[in-house]
Amino acid sequence: EAGVAQSPRYKIIEKRQSVAFWCNPISGHATLYWYQQILGQGPKLLIQFQNNGVVDDSQLPKDRFSAERLKGVDSTLKIQPAKLEDSAVYLCASSFLAGDTYEQYFGPGTRLTVT
Amino acid sequence: GQNIDQPTEMTATEGAIVQINCTYQTSGFNGLFWYQQHAGEAPTFLSYNVLDGLEEKGRFSSFLSRSKGYSYLLLKELQMKDSASYLCAPQILNTGFQKLVFGTGTRLLVSP
Repeated sequence: EAGVAQSPRYKIIEKRQSVAFWCNPISGHATLYWYQQILGQGPKLLIQFQNNGVVDDSQLPKDRFSAERLKGVDSTLKIQPAKLEDSAVYLCASSFLAGDTYEQYFGPGTRLTVT
Repeated sequence: GQNIDQPTEMTATEGAIVQINCTYQTSGFNGLFWYQQHAGEAPTFLSYNVLDGLEEKGRFSSFLSRSKGYSYLLLKELQMKDSASYLCAPQILNTGFQKLVFGTGTRLLVSP
């Protein structure tokens, strides 16, 4: 079974530029999550999709971050414009459903450096 | 709000036993996950507790006390490859959907 795919793996941009990350979840997984993990911290949930609908985006900085999951499969996360504090690893995860014991499977992440 | 507390760093010797504690204060608590994360890699699932008590899985065991807001991860017969961060993640149910709230993680260093 293929895992969660993410690209790119690394990205370096200057502040005020824009960047986009892509995620392809495990086939059949209805729930998709985007996390931000700053060095030395645990992952912080940015947004959660159930199929192609948003169920939680309470911690997404909506003035600069946006995400979509068209057709309930792949997802993209965009930052525009980027700030220095956005330097982090962006993790995508998916689960079969969003309840009970359905563990989340994580992708390898995209390491973003904003200079 | 949600509050999760776990030690920042622990050290242990190969072959030893180590216990990583986690205390939490959350609303909508439904269960608790433990994930392992090696440096530069994605978190991987270790265990899930929904009822009070001990869950054993090979060298790893996890305990939960819902009334005390407390969990621990027990690692036996430590190996060098167990050097990693261990993330405590209470599961929160919100409007029928679950989400995880991660602690900052405990970095475990295993020495020979």
